[in-house]
Amino acid sequence: EVRLVESGGGLVQPGGSLTLSCETSEFTLSNYWMSWVRQAPGKGLEWVAHIRQDGNEQHYVDSVKGRFTISRDNAKNSLYLQMNSLRAEDTAVYYCASACSGPSCTKLQSDYWGQGTLVTVSS
Amino acid sequence: QSVLTQPPSVSAAPGQKVTIPCSGSSSNIGSNYVSWYQQLPGTAPKLLIYENNKRPSGTPGRFSGSKSGTSATLGITGLQTGDEADYYCATWDHNVSAGLFGGGTKVTVL
Repeated sequence: EVRLVESGGGLVQPGGSLTLSCETSEFTLSNYWMSWVRQAPGKGLEWVAHIRQDGNEQHYVDSVKGRFTISRDNAKNSLYLQMNSLRAEDTAVYYCASACSGPSCTKLQSDYWGQGTLVTVSS
Repeated sequence: QSVLTQPPSVSAAPGQKVTIPCSGSSSNIGSNYVSWYQQLPGTAPKLLIYENNKRPSGTPGRFSGSKSGTSATLGITGLQTGDEADYYCATWDHNVSAGLFGGGTKVTVL
């Protein structure tokens, strides 16, 4: 069974920074676009960002552009989300998820998901 | 408020059928594949339907997806108590070059 494991969540003050990681040993990350999806407490899912297999193309939801950076290290089978200038509205469970397997990614087809890591932005 | 519109809740008795609509626009549903996710309480989402109407292995045949124009629909027949969950439609929007999820629909089995 494929497992994606997120880590790095926690409590951070407004304006602070945090880096999330997603690792797997049963899944060849380099074959897929990878994405981050978040869910605020009691709210719905929100797509945050995704990154191409080679790391050279990324897309972000408008609310995090300029503050969040998605990256990957295929040699380590790992995905990252660097979050800067955090706001209260960024409080959520953050999931990493597989995305498309082709050269482009215009569908939200995520076969594999992590269990999520909670980020709380509060003073 | 999500760009993809879903009803907040639907309900039906065990064994009955429910349908969940997802309404979008030409830049998202109208020109891209739609996926559907099931999220049971306290768990990560699970892919239920992909490319509008395809079921991954493991998704029962009671679940079906369809798309017409700028709307998509998830159908669940033979409703079971284990189907109580939140359901989300999802697609890409080429105007904003970003992914979209619907607001989610809570299914209750009466």
